[in-house]
Amino acid sequence: QVQLQESGPGLVKPSETLSLTCTVSGGSISSYYWSWIRQPAGKGLEWIGRIYTSGSTNYNPSLKSRVTMSVDTSKNQFSLKLSSVTAADTAVYYCARVRAAAATWDYFDYWGQGTLVTVSS
Amino acid sequence: QSVLTQPPSVSEAPRQRVTISCSGSSSNIGNNAVNWYQQLPGKAPKLLIYYDDLLPSGVSDRFSGSKSGTSASLAISGLQSEDEADYYCAAWDDSLNGYVFGTGTKVTVL
Repeated sequence: QVQLQESGPGLVKPSETLSLTCTVSGGSISSYYWSWIRQPAGKGLEWIGRIYTSGSTNYNPSLKSRVTMSVDTSKNQFSLKLSSVTAADTAVYYCARVRAAAATWDYFDYWGQGTLVTVSS
Repeated sequence: QSVLTQPPSVSEAPRQRVTISCSGSSSNIGNNAVNWYQQLPGKAPKLLIYYDDLLPSGVSDRFSGSKSGTSASLAISGLQSEDEADYYCAAWDDSLNGYVFGTGTKVTVL
């Protein structure tokens, strides 16, 4: 059974960089796309982006200038960095595995439990 | 601001049937597969329906999905109290070159 676990600071100061890591267990990280999704309290889900194990990425256009994703296959981990954060970036951040039969036919079959990141001084 | 529109809430009595709509456009639902996720209170979302109408292993067949043109629907039959949750449709959007979620629908069992 594949399991995903997010980790990283729960509190980030405004204008700094949010950094999260997702550790995959129970299966290999290779040959899949992996995504980050976030959810502000009481609001809906927002896709942040996806990364393939080759390093190829797609980002949400609204966040693209501030997002960097990376993958470390030796550790079975992938990571998210979001720069210049503001209070609007306060949310629960989820990592998820992407399944896709075709290039844009993504769906998320495994999710992490989520981690709350608060942006505050 | 989501490009996939869902009703904010639906409610129905136990054992009845509810339908949740998801309205999009030719750049998302009209040209890509639709997926549905269930989010129980305080939990991570869970895949409910993928590729318009397919059920993942372990998901009750009380859930069904359909799509027509630029709209999709999720139906829940034999409504149970455990179905109280938020439901999100989602699809890839070719214009945005990214994945989009619906606005979400809260299902209440009366």
